Amino acid sequence: GDSVTQMEGPVTLSEEAFLTINCTYTATGYPSLFWYVQYPGEGLQLLLKATKADDKGSNKGFEATYRKETTSFHLEKGSVQVSDSAVYFCALVVRTSNQFYFGTGTSLTVIP
Amino acid sequence: EPEVTQTPSHQVTQMGQEVILRCVPISNHLYFYWYRQILGQKVEFLVSFYNNEISEKSEIFDDQFSVERPDGSNFTLKIRSTKLEDSAMYFCASSEAFRVQLEQFFGPGTRLTVL
Repeated sequence: GDSVTQMEGPVTLSEEAFLTINCTYTATGYPSLFWYVQYPGEGLQLLLKATKADDKGSNKGFEATYRKETTSFHLEKGSVQVSDSAVYFCALVVRTSNQFYFGTGTSLTVIP
Repeated sequence: EPEVTQTPSHQVTQMGQEVILRCVPISNHLYFYWYRQILGQKVEFLVSFYNNEISEKSEIFDDQFSVERPDGSNFTLKIRSTKLEDSAMYFCASSEAFRVQLEQFFGPGTRLTVL
């Protein structure tokens, strides 16, 4: 079936450190891939997305590349800020459905 | 900026009681969804709703669950007889249309605690 496996957290980094959160997927069809972020007390917000192989999604300094050969969509940021502290969710949706499949979420804390 | 809202933010109930979780989707959206996240587990799809009927549902969405759009703005999830294992964060979401590239907009969630 369709699923997403995401790096376990929590992750604690110092400000300006490099961030990688791993995400791999299994899909029966040809999925679109998403990263959502949840700040404390708020809903899940779309961070970035990619809809086909080799697409790179980017937003607010975050990037992720849709790698079909490794079935991955790892989230990266070159220099994290305290304001990036949040929970990050990897997700996919396949073309025949509008049901999102999420990972467990990775909590990121950035310390000054 | 338009947003999805949910009430209440936290609901505590006794096992066996009925609960109704409320959501106000973004006004021009046509598709509505409920997801839940049990603590420490994945966010799981429950149901999608379009044109006043369920378009998809998961195995979790059994007979104790129901959804309704009682008026032009609210979208509700009812759990008829709550169980301890229904304790979770419930997220409502909405989207403009059914296209796989489109994002779903999520509310902040309702934390349901069943005692």
